[in-house]
Amino acid sequence: AQSVTQPDIHITVSEGASLELRCNYSYGATPYLFWYVQSPGQGLQLLLKYFSGDTLVQGIKGFEAEFKRSQSSFNLRKPSVHWSDAAEYFCAVEVNDYKLSFGAGTTVTVRA
Amino acid sequence: NAGVTQTPKFRILKIGQSMTLQCAQDMNHNYMYWYRQDPGMGLKLIYYSVGAGITDKGEVPNGYNVSRSTTEDFPLRLELAAPSQTSVYFCASSPESGEAFFGQGTRLTVV
Repeated sequence: AQSVTQPDIHITVSEGASLELRCNYSYGATPYLFWYVQSPGQGLQLLLKYFSGDTLVQGIKGFEAEFKRSQSSFNLRKPSVHWSDAAEYFCAVEVNDYKLSFGAGTTVTVRA
Repeated sequence: NAGVTQTPKFRILKIGQSMTLQCAQDMNHNYMYWYRQDPGMGLKLIYYSVGAGITDKGEVPNGYNVSRSTTEDFPLRLELAAPSQTSVYFCASSPESGEAFFGQGTRLTVV
């Protein structure tokens, strides 16, 4: 069965520091991969997606992610974090019928 | 630019009551989904629809029902509410790209 693992439940980072969120997936074929962000009390917003082609994808809000087939990973990065990046981040993989299977999420806290 | 609209935003139900969570999208997407979100568990798919008149079960369908009479609307029905259904519910829609657009969520408490 397809699955998505986000190993880090909670990450604290200083404002201006870099951020990397890990995501590993288990899937038989080449997956479609997504990162979503959820601010407190809000719905999920798409940050970026990978379907095929260039394995480094750029998203909104200065985020990027790299697809590594050999490691079954799709890690999210941001070079310099802003206080507004405090949120919960979800990695997801598309299964059949365009359904998404989500990881458990990583909560990011930004300290001044 | 409404996108996906969910109502209500909050609701408290007593055990055994029933209710319908409403979801409407104005993007003409064929695919629609209901997820529930519980702390530390991510989002779990309850039901989904690939078009008007077609629905199917997701990972956690027990205790819920759906219908899809139009492209725009995808209501979720809870019959005989139980404390285990206390959760935040998200409706989403998607074009055939798989990129889902989410509503703001409905926070439901069953007491």
